[in-house]
Amino acid sequence: RKEVEQDPGPFNVPEGATVAFNCTYSNSASQSFFWYRQDCRKEPKLLMSVYSSGNEDGRFTAQLNRASQYISLLIRDSKLSDSATYLCVVSRNTGGFKTIFGAGTRLFVKA
Amino acid sequence: DAGVTQSPTHLIKTRGQQVTLRCSPKSGHDTVSWYQQALGQGPQFIFQYYEEEERQRGNFPDRFSGHQFPNYSSELNVNALLLGDSALYLCASSWGMVDNEQFFGPGTRLTVL
Repeated sequence: RKEVEQDPGPFNVPEGATVAFNCTYSNSASQSFFWYRQDCRKEPKLLMSVYSSGNEDGRFTAQLNRASQYISLLIRDSKLSDSATYLCVVSRNTGGFKTIFGAGTRLFVKA
Repeated sequence: DAGVTQSPTHLIKTRGQQVTLRCSPKSGHDTVSWYQQALGQGPQFIFQYYEEEERQRGNFPDRFSGHQFPNYSSELNVNALLLGDSALYLCASSWGMVDNEQFFGPGTRLTVL
């Protein structure tokens, strides 16, 4: 079993739709959580950090459930420009921060 | 303000050869992490350098080694290349050996024939 697992993609949604991604992690010692976005043939870029209290950035909302060890990302009012791969990222301190990426979920937003 | 830079952008090698990839971190960053990203997969953590020492390592064989220089730039070396080493190699920099945001370079695409 992979340490970080994400919803299999791709997700194909129309513009304006709401879409949700889930991610589960297996190591309970995980301390920090992030969502990164990666466009085709580009490097990953931080979309948002995920806090225990949940956090929102415009159309994007991230939630963390430590008890169930999952993270979610909600995108409201999808735009064509949201089409990308969304990577769930978990890190923990084992004498230095070890960062584990999920395999990513591809999102296609269509007009 | 230059971001993370990597060189070369593309590289073709044959099995058994050795390769060195280079990375310059974002200005003000002192920590460099290297990742391998195979097609259709997320980046896999190789190792992290801070204060010129390897601080953390992922599940990669000893064929993968690295170095960090006093100016914080870093190299990734891979010996005895295998076909399976073909991938995009990403360098990420951050400040301090903590879980701050990582900034990624554009990557080096390595093809092993």
